[in-house]
Amino acid sequence: AQTVTQSQPEMSVQEAETVTLSCTYDTSESDYYLFWYKQPPSRQMILVIRQEAYKQQNATENRFSVNFQKAAKSFSLKISDSQLGDAAMYFCAYRSRLGRLYFGRGTQLTVWP
Amino acid sequence: IAGITQAPTSQILAAGRRMTLRCTQDMRHNAMYWYRQDLGLGLRLIHYSNTAGTTGKGEVPDGYSVSRANTDDFPLTLASAVPSQTSVYFCASSEKPSSYNEQFFGPGTRLTVL
Repeated sequence: AQTVTQSQPEMSVQEAETVTLSCTYDTSESDYYLFWYKQPPSRQMILVIRQEAYKQQNATENRFSVNFQKAAKSFSLKISDSQLGDAAMYFCAYRSRLGRLYFGRGTQLTVWP
Repeated sequence: IAGITQAPTSQILAAGRRMTLRCTQDMRHNAMYWYRQDLGLGLRLIHYSNTAGTTGKGEVPDGYSVSRANTDDFPLTLASAVPSQTSVYFCASSEKPSSYNEQFFGPGTRLTVL
């Protein structure tokens, strides 16, 4: 089974600064998708960004971007110009060709004013 | 508003009791999933259904059962609840089970088994 590792249980950032959340994964597949989900205190799971493994270009969604290194099996999330509303638990997830989603254990992000 | 609804929002249950968590989606998605979220462990797949009439086991299926009689509903049943099943349960759906489709999540059910 695929494994997803988030090595940072907690991270903090000053408002307006940039922070990077790390994620690595293990797989023998060549075709897959990677996701970052945000879970605020409301508990709702919100998709932040996704990356297709066959695309070399890193995905970007406004202030959120990823650094996808396929050979290294690394998928980090960069949040630029951090805002108080970015404070949440962030989960990295891997989706196999069968469609099953495997999650990391999460990184709790605190944003300081 | 289109999306996924789950009921109840929270529940306290005595050990040994039977409990069914309800999940309904109105997006006509083919695939549906049940996850449990435990502190420090992320979300883990319990059961899934790629289409109405079919179900499959995920990472942690023991003690749970599901059914998929139609496209919209995917109930999760705990036949005899145990304290280790205390968790937050999320239902999710995607248009197709293939890898490029985003999974949409319901608001979750917080279950406490005493």
